[in-house]
Amino acid sequence: QKEVEQNSGPLSVPEGAIASLNCTYSDRVSQSFFWYRQYSGKSPELIMSIYSNGDKEDGRFTAQLNKASQYVSLLIRDSQPSDSATYLCAGDTGTASKLTFGTGTRLQVTL
Amino acid sequence: GAGVSQSPSNKVTEKGKDVELRCDPISGHTALYWYRQSLGQGLEFLIYFQGNSAPDKSGLPSDRFSAERTGGSVSTLTIQRTQQEDSAVYLCASSQRGGRETQYFGPGTRLLVL
Repeated sequence: QKEVEQNSGPLSVPEGAIASLNCTYSDRVSQSFFWYRQYSGKSPELIMSIYSNGDKEDGRFTAQLNKASQYVSLLIRDSQPSDSATYLCAGDTGTASKLTFGTGTRLQVTL
Repeated sequence: GAGVSQSPSNKVTEKGKDVELRCDPISGHTALYWYRQSLGQGLEFLIYFQGNSAPDKSGLPSDRFSAERTGGSVSTLTIQRTQQEDSAVYLCASSQRGGRETQYFGPGTRLLVL
């Protein structure tokens, strides 16, 4: 099993809908989790970080962490065409803050 | 303020040549990371520097890859005897102190080995 796994997509949602992006992880990745957004040809930028079980909300974004089931998700409410990008899930192993990234899910928000 | 900068933005080289990639982290950030992103792949960790501590080199794919960080600031990633499979975008990131601190990424260097 890869340490961090994501469905590559594309995930297509209509404008205004909720986009749900999911990520699962192995036992080696267990501490902190991060969602990065990467536009085509650009570098990743941090959207959300989550360290504890439960939900964390920031504007239209909600990160959810379930350590028992080893998954972390990102919900984007009221999706906009500008949200169209690849979303990278990353986790650290608790030492030296080395991040392990998934391959990313490509999100397309359609008009 | 200024973000992470990298140079060159693009590099085309011939197989077997050596290349040097440069990263200028955000001023005051003690932690610096190098990642590689191949087409359609996620980011692959290469090496991590934190202050004056010995770097974590566990992600370097072969002994052709090396990196140094001078004066706790600028870092150079060197790839010797480049191979076609080295073609990728090389991304540098820095964070204030490492740990759970947010990593800020540079624009990357796009390397193409012919």
